[in-house]
Amino acid sequence: GENVEQHPSTLSVQEGDSAVIKCTYSDSASNYFPWYKQELGKGPQLIIDIRSNVGEKKDQRIAVTLNKTAKHFSLHITETQPEDSAVYFCAASIAGNQFYFGTGTSLTVIP
Amino acid sequence: DSGVTQTPKHLITATGQRVTLRCSPRSGDLSVYWYQQSLDQGLQFLIHYYNGEERAKGNILERFSAQQFPDLHSELNLSSLELGDSALYFCASSTSGTDDLAFGSGTRLTVV
Repeated sequence: GENVEQHPSTLSVQEGDSAVIKCTYSDSASNYFPWYKQELGKGPQLIIDIRSNVGEKKDQRIAVTLNKTAKHFSLHITETQPEDSAVYFCAASIAGNQFYFGTGTSLTVIP
Repeated sequence: DSGVTQTPKHLITATGQRVTLRCSPRSGDLSVYWYQQSLDQGLQFLIHYYNGEERAKGNILERFSAQQFPDLHSELNLSSLELGDSALYFCASSTSGTDDLAFGSGTRLTVV
C-alpha cells in the first residue's frame, strides 16, 4: 500500500519567516494530495490541496508544490504568524478510497 | 464548522467494556472514514464506507467494527477494550470519495 513520509516532525520559525514541510509518497497511482492543519483539541482542517495534473497551487500565504517524478510534495507558508502554529499533516489519496497520512509536523511560530 | 458531527466528545470506560462512537457526515457526503489518533501519533486509517457499503479497511482490529446506516450516519464499535485503545477517534466524510475530507472534532476515548 501507499506509504507517506513527512519531515520535519517539529519546526520552529520566527514570525515573518517562511516554513517548509516536505512529504514523499510511494505509490505512483496516488493522484490527490491534501494538506491539513490541526489545532489543539480540534479535528484536522483542509488548508490546501493539489491534484496530480498540477505542479503548483497557491492560496494567499500558503502554497503547495508537487513533483510526480520524484514522488514528493511540499507545503510552503510565507510570512508566518503566531496563529499558524499547529500540527500539519500531508496526505496522499488514490481515487479517494483511502487517504494515507504523514506523521505530522508540529509548527511553532515564535513572536 | 466542518459539518461533520461526532458524539460523544469524551468517553471514559473500563478495560473489557464495549463502546459505540457515532458520526453524522456532512450533508450530501456519501463517504465516511474512521481514523484513530494516539498520543503524539499520526492519523491511522481504520475503515471507509461509501453509501452503506464497506470500501476499504486499514489497520482495524478484529475487536473493532463499523457500519454505515441508510441515513448515512456511521457507528464505530469498539469491544473488549484495552488500555492501548485510548486515543482520539476521528470521523471524516467526503462527497464522492475523490474530494477533500471534512473531519469531525473527534471522540476522545480513555480506557482505565
